[in-house]
Amino acid sequence: EIVLTQSPATLSVSPGEGATLSCRASQSMNNYLAWYQQKPGQAPRLLIYDAFNRATGTPARFSGSGSGTDFTLTVSSLEPEDFAVYYCQQRSTWPLTFGQGTRLDFK
Amino acid sequence: EEQLVESGGGLVQPGGSLRLSCAASGFTFSNYNMNWVRQAPGKGLEWVSYISTSSTTKIYADSAKGRFTISRDNAKNSLHLQMNSLRAEDTAVYYCARRESSGYLGVWGQGTLVIVSS
Repeated sequence: EIVLTQSPATLSVSPGEGATLSCRASQSMNNYLAWYQQKPGQAPRLLIYDAFNRATGTPARFSGSGSGTDFTLTVSSLEPEDFAVYYCQQRSTWPLTFGQGTRLDFK
Repeated sequence: EEQLVESGGGLVQPGGSLRLSCAASGFTFSNYNMNWVRQAPGKGLEWVSYISTSSTTKIYADSAKGRFTISRDNAKNSLHLQMNSLRAEDTAVYYCARRESSGYLGVWGQGTLVIVSS
């Protein structure tokens, strides 16, 4: 099983600032990594797939990068609606696994 | 609008059973592989099970093997999760999620809450 470790657990930033979230895998998995956003009381929403491809409707301020075992989600300039929990997920091998999440909080 | 709506959650005693359903609408359900993902209260996401379009392939998380059974009815546009021998640690919101051509989970339901407690 591929274990995904996200850091930091919580990131406190102000609107307009940038944010960088990290996801590290326990073994190499090519680019088979996605990022999801989840707001309170809502289902997760797919943002980025295959490490750097934006899903339909994902704003351009979200970008993904990385390969192998180290991946990053970058938000260039945070909007109020971006404050949420972000999860990475791999589809390289079964079982599908998620990271434990990074909470993006208002500073 | 492409939509998934879960139902069947509720309060059940440890050792009991529950059958979750997910109704699909707005897209050709039979063309998509489907998944169940759960989220314990205040916790992260945990994938539970996968089923292929024709039900020929079913895959389970270790936590679900031997207790949960995934199934689908393409004629009725529905996905199911039969959960037996339920434990307190199965308490969670259960989401059904559509697997996109990219291989990721692109459409999610709103979830149904399962509480296992005496």
